[in-house]
Amino acid sequence: KQEVTQIPAALSVPEGENLVLNCSFTDSAIYNLQWFRQDPGKGLTSLLLIQSSQREQTSGRLNASLDKSSGRSTLYIAASQPGDSATYLCAVRPDSSYKLIFGSGTRLLVRP
Amino acid sequence: NAGVTQTPKFRILKIGQSMTLQCTQDMNHNYMYWYRQDPGMGLKLIYYSVGAGITDKGEVPNGYNVSRSTTEDFPLRLELAAPSQTSVYFCASSYRTGLRDTQYFGPGTRLTVL
Repeated sequence: KQEVTQIPAALSVPEGENLVLNCSFTDSAIYNLQWFRQDPGKGLTSLLLIQSSQREQTSGRLNASLDKSSGRSTLYIAASQPGDSATYLCAVRPDSSYKLIFGSGTRLLVRP
Repeated sequence: NAGVTQTPKFRILKIGQSMTLQCTQDMNHNYMYWYRQDPGMGLKLIYYSVGAGITDKGEVPNGYNVSRSTTEDFPLRLELAAPSQTSVYFCASSYRTGLRDTQYFGPGTRLTVL
């Protein structure tokens, strides 16, 4: 059974710092992996989607990597800003499945 | 373009009551999903639909029912509400084009069962 784990559960950093959020999954047979952002009381916004054949995706200050063989993905945020404060969720789509399996998220606070 | 809309935003139910959570998308997406998110946890799939008239169970379907009579709407029905169904419910949709399968989420419905 596919399980997705995100460590740490919470992270607090000063503004301007570069940071890495981690996501691990137990079954390497995935179709793709997504990183989402969730603001309090709001829905989820897709940040980056990495197909199983890709190693990384970049969008602005965000870079997500995928290592299927080790069951790991990282989300790198450069030059963090207070506006980056949110919960970041990782989700994998198993092969041949319509489902997304979510991690429990990392709650990020960027201090001014 | 409104995207995915959900109503109501908040609701308090008594044990044993029933209700329907509404979800509508205006992006002509063929895939729609219902998730629940318990405090401090990730989302879990309740039901999904690959098109009008077709639905299937996700990870946690017990206590819920769905229907999909149109492409736009995917209501979630709770029968005999229980405290264990206290959660935030998210509806999502996607249109599979090749390898892309980004899901777009609604703002959620926060449900409390007392």
